[in-house]
Amino acid sequence: KNQVEQSPQSLIILEGKNCTLQCNYTVSPFSNLRWYKQDTGRGPVSLTIMTFSENTKSNGRYTATLDADTKQSSLHITASQLSDSASYICVVSREAAGNKLTFGGGTRVLVKP
Amino acid sequence: DAGITQSPRHKVTETGTPVTLRCHQTENHRYMYWYRQDPGHGLRLIHYSYGVKDTDKGEVSDGYSVSRSKTEDFLLTLESATSSQTSVYFCATGGQGENTEAFFGQGTRLTVV
Repeated sequence: KNQVEQSPQSLIILEGKNCTLQCNYTVSPFSNLRWYKQDTGRGPVSLTIMTFSENTKSNGRYTATLDADTKQSSLHITASQLSDSASYICVVSREAAGNKLTFGGGTRVLVKP
Repeated sequence: DAGITQSPRHKVTETGTPVTLRCHQTENHRYMYWYRQDPGHGLRLIHYSYGVKDTDKGEVSDGYSVSRSKTEDFLLTLESATSSQTSVYFCATGGQGENTEAFFGQGTRLTVV
């Protein structure tokens, strides 16, 4: 079954600290892996997209890594800010069939001052 | 928000009544998707479209139908709303290609009483 599992479900960090979110997937055949940020009451917004051949990709203070062999990805947030408080969703796209997206359950991050 | 508009943004309806949600895009994207988001489940695909009048089912399509008569509009219909269809519904659009980003609307909060 095509699945995307994320951990932890939630975490609380202090402003200025770093954190790492995990994503494991079993989706096959793999096309790409995306990380989205979803603020409360809004739609998800893309942070990064990585294909099979990419190991790391950065977007400002967000750095995503991908190990296609172990089917694992991580999202690292550096020097967290209060505005980073949101849900972060790992999404894996399957080849063909309109690149249908399989969503993880998300990690809810709360940054405290 | 990449030119994606969902309407209505909020709706309360009674069990057994038909409901239609509208997604309108100005990006000329080929692919359009309807998702529902519920606590503990993440985003789940209801239906998607890969072109005008071309649609297919997602993983939770029972009780829903869709129509796409124009590139820019994708309608989701609940023929006879049930309380289990109380959810937040997101429309997304995307072009063709493995690195094409999927853009999401702001969501529609539907309550069936």
